Amino acid sequence: DTAVSQTPKYLVTQMGNDKSIKCEQNLGHDTMYWYKQDSKKFLKIMFSYNNKELIINETVPNRFSPKSPDKAHLNLHINSLELGDSAVYFCASSLHLRDLLGGEQFFGPGTRLTVL
Amino acid sequence: AQTVTQSQPEMSVQEAETVTLSCTYDTSESDYYLFWYKQPPSRQMILVIRQEAYKQQNATENRFSVNFQKAAKSFSLKISDSQLGDAAMYFCAYRRDLNSGNTPLVFGKGTRLSVIA
Repeated sequence: DTAVSQTPKYLVTQMGNDKSIKCEQNLGHDTMYWYKQDSKKFLKIMFSYNNKELIINETVPNRFSPKSPDKAHLNLHINSLELGDSAVYFCASSLHLRDLLGGEQFFGPGTRLTVL
Repeated sequence: AQTVTQSQPEMSVQEAETVTLSCTYDTSESDYYLFWYKQPPSRQMILVIRQEAYKQQNATENRFSVNFQKAAKSFSLKISDSQLGDAAMYFCAYRRDLNSGNTPLVFGKGTRLSVIA
């Protein structure tokens, strides 16, 4: 019954490695997002996808590459991990069209990435 | 660009008392949504309450209510009869109207609320 799921929930890795975080939503939403929450708890948008198409790409290093195989999935691949990439990454989803939900975004449980 | 400001990094409240968390935002848009999200230690983001900018009536959800002042661009959250389970980080967030396209949330820096037994 999980609405938005992310795997893994915890990820500890060495600098220079490549890692991926997976996100899946079963809400039938057409828009998915990746947010980054830094060590000071500040949340900021990274990417937004609508129907598998990249809509928003904020100022994020090229080492970060989102991939959306279908509307229900949005994965985040990170190359050459750096210490500063340590953060909690949240996936979220919403409906593009105005609806009764009033623009609510549903969040996954987050993935805490620690780069050593 | 839209910005959201939460001027209170930390707040505390006695159990059963009332507390108000402040939020102001800056936008040139006329249609938008405002949200308060709660993030407990489990780090799950939980929607507390939402407000559509075109609605003049303040939103309420049980013990949670907002004071939405559109002209002043202010959106405060009032928690009545505070409970220990209300202790969390609270984030104010803004989102442009959906008809403008796919729009992400713009978050404030958060207010950490402690509830004292």
